[in-house]
Amino acid sequence: DGGITQSPKYLFRKEGQNVTLSCEQNLNHDAMYWYRQDPGQGLRLIYYSQIVNDFQKGDIAEGYSVSREKKESFPLTVTSAQKNPTAFYLCASRSDRSNTGELFFGEGSRLTVL
Amino acid sequence: DAKTTQPNSMESNEEEPVHLPCNHSTISGTDYIHWYRQLPSQGPEYVIHGLTSNVNNRMASLAIAEDRKSSTLILHRATLRDAAVYYCILRDNDYKLSFGAGTTVTVRA
Repeated sequence: DGGITQSPKYLFRKEGQNVTLSCEQNLNHDAMYWYRQDPGQGLRLIYYSQIVNDFQKGDIAEGYSVSREKKESFPLTVTSAQKNPTAFYLCASRSDRSNTGELFFGEGSRLTVL
Repeated sequence: DAKTTQPNSMESNEEEPVHLPCNHSTISGTDYIHWYRQLPSQGPEYVIHGLTSNVNNRMASLAIAEDRKSSTLILHRATLRDAAVYYCILRDNDYKLSFGAGTTVTVRA
């Protein structure tokens, strides 16, 4: 079945360590997104990518990095520069060819920094 | 930054309709209005979208004001499974898609 797979679902790390969250999609979508969600809050855009080898900063990019070497993959690295990395991270993708232009989301990765 | 404004929360009784408002006073002519909902500990899912005309699908209805500066998502008969956070966002040709805090819907049995 087509969809978006995020891994790991839960991740614990020590303060000061870099962490990479995986996002893979087999929907043949061009655009991919990373959002952060804190408890009781909405989604905030970290980075997005319109096409392979291209990505743009969202509203809260500081302390994060991404790459888009393949159409299917858009990994997010939470660096030690991110002051408060504990959060729920959501990856999404979207097709330009869809009539609805809807976003498809993964199930999320919950990162806890100890 | 999000371009829409929604109430923080709304409550409804089971089997009653729920009307969720969204203000988007700075909407441009090419912006589509999209609604998503998010169940606890899950990623959001698409609900409905529209441009100018009212829209219906199996999940909900979308009523769009004539000046397009506001819209209302209508859940015709709320069930306990409709308890979620509902997000209203604008989508145009720009790839940047920002969400606000959404409206938390509580359904009383």
